[in-house]
Amino acid sequence: GDSVTQMEGPVTLSEEAFLTINCTYTATGYPSLFWYVQYPGEGLQLLLKATKADDKGSNKGFEATYRKETTSFHLEKGSVQVSDSAVYFCALGRGGYNKLIFGAGTRLAVHP
Amino acid sequence: ETGVTQSPTHLIKTRGQQVTLRCSSQSGHNTVSWYQQALGQGPQFIFQYYREEENGRGNFPPRFSGLQFPNYSSELNVNALELDDSALYLCASSHGTDNYEQYFGPGTRLTVT
Repeated sequence: GDSVTQMEGPVTLSEEAFLTINCTYTATGYPSLFWYVQYPGEGLQLLLKATKADDKGSNKGFEATYRKETTSFHLEKGSVQVSDSAVYFCALGRGGYNKLIFGAGTRLAVHP
Repeated sequence: ETGVTQSPTHLIKTRGQQVTLRCSSQSGHNTVSWYQQALGQGPQFIFQYYREEENGRGNFPPRFSGLQFPNYSSELNVNALELDDSALYLCASSHGTDNYEQYFGPGTRLTVT
């Protein structure tokens, strides 16, 4: 069945460091791909999305490119801030109704 | 524009009891999905409601049931609670049934003892 695999956390970085969180997926067809972020004590917020191969989603300095050939959707940011500390979830959507399949999440901790 | 709201925020129940969780969808959204997020895990899809009917279900037993009301708000009911039902329950709203861009509420933390 469809699934999403993310790199395990926690990821600990200094402020202004480069961030990469790896995400790969298994699915038939052409799913839509998403990154959601969960700040402490809050629900999930959509960070960015891509709906077809080679699309690049971007928001708030974060980027991810839909790579069909490697079934990947890695999240990157050039310079992280302390306020980026959160749990990041990669997800895919496919199937004709609004079901999202999430990875296990990657916790990011950024220190000054 | 009002976002997705959920109530209560926290809840403690005893094994075997029943629980009802509530969700108000974002203005303009007619579809509600429910997810269970166990500690340290990603959310798992429970089911989706559209036009007051269940329109897709994940791998959850029938003791998980729901309702959607004419104003698009929704309830999640869980009967015969088990210890493994302890989790954060998230509600997400969207417009239409083929729209993966969903807006999540803050969740209800359920603890079963």
